[in-house]
Amino acid sequence: QVQLQQWGAGLLKPSETLSLACAVHGGSFSGHNWNWIRQSPGKGLDWIGEINHSGATNYNPSLTSRVTISVDTAKSQFSLKLSSVTAADTAVYFCARGNYFDSSGFYYPTMYYLDYWGQGTLVTVTS
Amino acid sequence: QSVLTQPPSASGAPGQRVSISCSGSSSNIGSNTVNWYQQLPGTAPKLLIYSNDQRPSGVPDRFSGSKSGTSASLAISGLHSEDEADYYCATWDDSLIAVVFGGGTKLTVL
Repeated sequence: QVQLQQWGAGLLKPSETLSLACAVHGGSFSGHNWNWIRQSPGKGLDWIGEINHSGATNYNPSLTSRVTISVDTAKSQFSLKLSSVTAADTAVYFCARGNYFDSSGFYYPTMYYLDYWGQGTLVTVTS
Repeated sequence: QSVLTQPPSASGAPGQRVSISCSGSSSNIGSNTVNWYQQLPGTAPKLLIYSNDQRPSGVPDRFSGSKSGTSASLAISGLHSEDEADYYCATWDDSLIAVVFGGGTKLTVL
């Protein structure tokens, strides 16, 4: 069974850097992409970005100047840093596994889904 | 403003069937498969449907998905009170090079 366990600081001041980490237990780490998603209070889901085991990243165009996602394959962990936070960055942050494979193990490049999620971390930005 | 468009709310009585729509464009739904997530209050989203119409192990067959062109739909038959949740559609967008979500639909079981 795959489990994602995330942690990080939950209270930040404006202009500080948000830092979260997510550890993957079970399953293949190198065979998947690893994502961060956030949800502002009372709002919908907002994709932040992803990384693969080689370190290749894709970021939400609206956040790309402030976001860094990194990976540590030796520890099966990946991390999120978001710089210069403001109150607008207050949200629950989730990590999630991205999958291109169907139930039979076949790879489809046009099929990408987030099948396992972390428990979420509330990050509040306030002065 | 979300890239994918969903109705903000939907409702139905226990036992009824409800459908939730998701509209996109050629660069997202038109080019890639659609996934649906269920989010119960205070919890992380859960994958409900992937690749347009595939159910992960453990998801009841009351839940079904479909896609046509640049739109997709989630149907829930035989509504249960525990189906009351927020539902999100999502897919990859080839132009944005990003995962995109719908704004979410709050399902109320009357």
